[in-house]
Amino acid sequence: DGGITQSPKYLFRKEGQNVTLSCEQNLNHDAMYWYRQDPGQGLRLIYYSQIVNDFQKGDIAEGYSVSREKKESFPLTVTSAQKNPTAFYLCASRRQDYANQPQHFGDGTRLSIL
Amino acid sequence: QKEVEQDPGPLSVPEGAIVSLNCTYSNSAFQYFMWYRQYSRKGPELLMYTYSSGNKEDGRFTAQVDKSSKYISLFIRDSQPSDSATYLCAMKETSGSRLTFGEGTQLTVNP
Repeated sequence: DGGITQSPKYLFRKEGQNVTLSCEQNLNHDAMYWYRQDPGQGLRLIYYSQIVNDFQKGDIAEGYSVSREKKESFPLTVTSAQKNPTAFYLCASRRQDYANQPQHFGDGTRLSIL
Repeated sequence: QKEVEQDPGPLSVPEGAIVSLNCTYSNSAFQYFMWYRQYSRKGPELLMYTYSSGNKEDGRFTAQVDKSSKYISLFIRDSQPSDSATYLCAMKETSGSRLTFGEGTQLTVNP
């Protein structure tokens, strides 16, 4: 089935540790996005990529890094510089060949601090 | 001030009620409007996607856009317990790739 797969579903980070969240899509979508969701704050954009080997910072990129080496994959690394990483992380993707296609989401990764 | 304002609720209604969810926005460049439904511990699921002012209907759901007032609504008719979720509005300018989200409204439909 086509879709967006995020893994793991739950992740725990120790102090000073970098962790990487996986996002894979088989929808042949060009653009991919990472959001952070906190209670009472909606979804905030971390990074997005519209094409392989290119990505842009969103509103809250500090303490995060991404790569886009393949069209299907857009992993997010939460670095030790991110002092408050506990949140629900959502990956999304969309087509760009037709104008203004909506974004579709994976089922998220919940990250907690140990 | 936030670009998109959405009452977070929580909103609790009896089964069968008509539910009205609303968002206001300040950026007149927003031209595309979406409603997503998010169940607990799941990702948002696209419910409605509209461009022009007016109404768009899909089953029990109606999306309404009033660009002159910068106001959008989602109506749910004959609400069911399975409609219990958080509803997020989202908006986009014509150019660009980014969405701006409301905070989400938590809805509970009681049997």
